[in-house]
Amino acid sequence: GAGVSQSPSNKVTEKGKDVELRCDPISGHTALYWYRQSLGQGLEFLIYFQGNSAPDKSGLPSDRFSAERTGGSVSTLTIQRTQQEDSAVYLCASSSLAGRGEQYFGPGTRLTVT
Amino acid sequence: GNSVTQMEGPVTLSEEAFLTINCTYTATGYPSLFWYVQYPGEGLQLLLKATKADDKGSNKGFEATYRKETTSFHLEKGSVQVSDSAVYFCALSDLGAYGNKLVFGAGTILRVKS
Repeated sequence: GAGVSQSPSNKVTEKGKDVELRCDPISGHTALYWYRQSLGQGLEFLIYFQGNSAPDKSGLPSDRFSAERTGGSVSTLTIQRTQQEDSAVYLCASSSLAGRGEQYFGPGTRLTVT
Repeated sequence: GNSVTQMEGPVTLSEEAFLTINCTYTATGYPSLFWYVQYPGEGLQLLLKATKADDKGSNKGFEATYRKETTSFHLEKGSVQVSDSAVYFCALSDLGAYGNKLVFGAGTILRVKS
C-alpha cells in the first residue's frame, strides 16, 4: 500500500470495555511498532514485531495490553478493561531492513475512554 | 535508561526568523538521532537524522548536528515559514536485541506568524 494505515481513526469507549486497534503496515516491511502518544507521557514505545521472532513487549504498560501480528502483516493491539488513563493516540509504524530502516508512521487511532 | 530532553514550547516566531529547538540526550552506546515533525492533522514524519558523531542531518532548510561531546542534537532553520508550524520531536534509536525502537522527547510546538 501507499503507507501505513490504521483503523479506526477515532474510538470512544466506556471504561471497562475491551477495544481492538488495527494496523496495516507498508507492504514488505518486516518490522512493526506500536507507540502511544498521550498528554501526560508524550510518545512511548509499546511493542515491536520483527518477522517471526518473539515480539519485544517491554513497553506495554500493563497486562491489559496485548498485541498480535498475523501472517507477518496486519497487527491488532487489544486493550482489555479500558481505563481513563488509556485515552491517547495509538500510533503504528513499520520499517524495512529488519527494523533498522526508517520508521514510517500511520495517522494513529485516537482512543477516548469515558 | 536512554532518554531525550527537548526545550519546552510553545515557541512563537515571526516569519523569516531564526529557529533553534534544543535537544539533549542520555544514552549508552552510540544511538542514531532523529527529528520528527507532526503537522496539524497529520501523522509523524521523519524530518532528518544523523547516525554518528559530527554527522549533520538536513532537510527542507532544517539542520541538526550530532554532538557527542555535548550529547546534543539541536534543530535549526535560518528562516522559518508559516508552513513550518507544527510539533517537533527529537528522538534517539534504542537498538535492542531485534530492532530500533525510538525514544522521543516531549515535543516542541512551533507557531510561526505571518
